[in-house]
Amino acid sequence: ILNVEQSPQSLHVQEGDSTNFTCSFPSSNFYALHWYRWETAKSPEALFVMTLNGDEKKKGRISATLNTKEGYSYLYIKGSQPEDSATYLCAFMGGSEKLVFGKGTKLTVNP
Amino acid sequence: EPEVTQTPSHQVTQMGQEVILRCVPISNHLYFYWYRQILGQKVEFLVSFYNNEISEKSEIFDDQFSVERPDGSNFTLKIRSTKLEDSAMYFCASKDRYYGYTFGSGTRLTVV
Repeated sequence: ILNVEQSPQSLHVQEGDSTNFTCSFPSSNFYALHWYRWETAKSPEALFVMTLNGDEKKKGRISATLNTKEGYSYLYIKGSQPEDSATYLCAFMGGSEKLVFGKGTKLTVNP
Repeated sequence: EPEVTQTPSHQVTQMGQEVILRCVPISNHLYFYWYRQILGQKVEFLVSFYNNEISEKSEIFDDQFSVERPDGSNFTLKIRSTKLEDSAMYFCASKDRYYGYTFGSGTRLTVV
């Protein structure tokens, strides 16, 4: 059974703080690692799709790194804003089309 | 930006009743999926659909579940006889040939 774990489960930070979360996934049979940002009552929004070991991707203040050999990815948010408050999901894609999700990290940014 | 549209956003149904959840995927996408999230648990894969047939399904997707793409635009998930444990948020997603999944905003199904 494939297992994807995310930590921490939830995080409260102050506006302006930088923060990061972890996603760990199986290191074998890796195809891609997805990150999503999910606000309540909205669609999960794709942030990054990462495929190569050592990949680093950036979108504004959000960036992500990937280590497929040890099976982890970090998501960083620089200078958090209240609008960054959301649940951040990672999802592993192995040898098939399906995504295997972690439970998510719920971020709350206090003004 | 193209969207995946799901209807209804909320559905309440009695145990044993049939429900159909509807999705309109992005028009030029080729792969279609249903996922669900039971409250407090992980988002879990149900089924993938490509070239008018199921390409993969999970253990959850038993004979009570079926999918259909009846008219080339809609993609439906039918649950024949709902159980209390089918209560969840159901997400439809579509994907082009490469990596880009697009999710809908979900249908919250409550079975009473």
